[in-house]
Amino acid sequence: EVQLVESGGGLVQPGRSLKLSCAASGFTFSNYYMAWVRQAPKKGLEWVATISTSGSRTYYPDSVKGRFTISRDNAKSTLYLQMNSLRSEDTATYYCTRDPFDYWGQGVMVTVSS
Amino acid sequence: DIQLTQSPSSMSASLGDRVSLTCQSSQGIGNYLSWYQHKPGKPPKPMIYYATNLADGVPSRFSGSRSGSDYSLTISSLESEDTAIYYCLQYDEYPYTFGAGTKLELK
Repeated sequence: EVQLVESGGGLVQPGRSLKLSCAASGFTFSNYYMAWVRQAPKKGLEWVATISTSGSRTYYPDSVKGRFTISRDNAKSTLYLQMNSLRSEDTATYYCTRDPFDYWGQGVMVTVSS
Repeated sequence: DIQLTQSPSSMSASLGDRVSLTCQSSQGIGNYLSWYQHKPGKPPKPMIYYATNLADGVPSRFSGSRSGSDYSLTISSLESEDTAIYYCLQYDEYPYTFGAGTKLELK
């Protein structure tokens, strides 16, 4: 059974950093692109980042480019999202998902507030 | 960036109704479009992938279709458990983009 379990969320002040993790199991992690998607309160879904199987290619929307970094450890079947220079508008539930979005984790909440 | 326009933004229908939700793409994306059902407190659930393919475990009353740059998600006979927000997603090119969603409620 495919499982994606996010961790690392919480309350953080504006301008600070936070790193999310996603532990994957039930499939060969290294064979799949992986991604992060978020949903701000009372807003729609927004794609945040995608990483290739080896980690050599990464993709971001303009809203997070230069501030967020997606990475992976295939030996540990774990996906990461390093979030720097956080803003209030980054407040959201962050979902780990297997590209092309066929399996999703339960999500982890990130709140950016002073 | 590719824009996906979903219509209507919200709708209400009765049990047993045939319901169609639409997603229009601003550019050609081929069949690289998927649909998701999202309920409060849960992760989005994949419903349709590659425009017309039913995801695993999705009831057969759901179907996807395409006509040019217009994509549709149809529920042949609405059930109470189908109330949710439905999103389309294009994964043809980066940045991937979601539609704004259609909120489906029971009348």
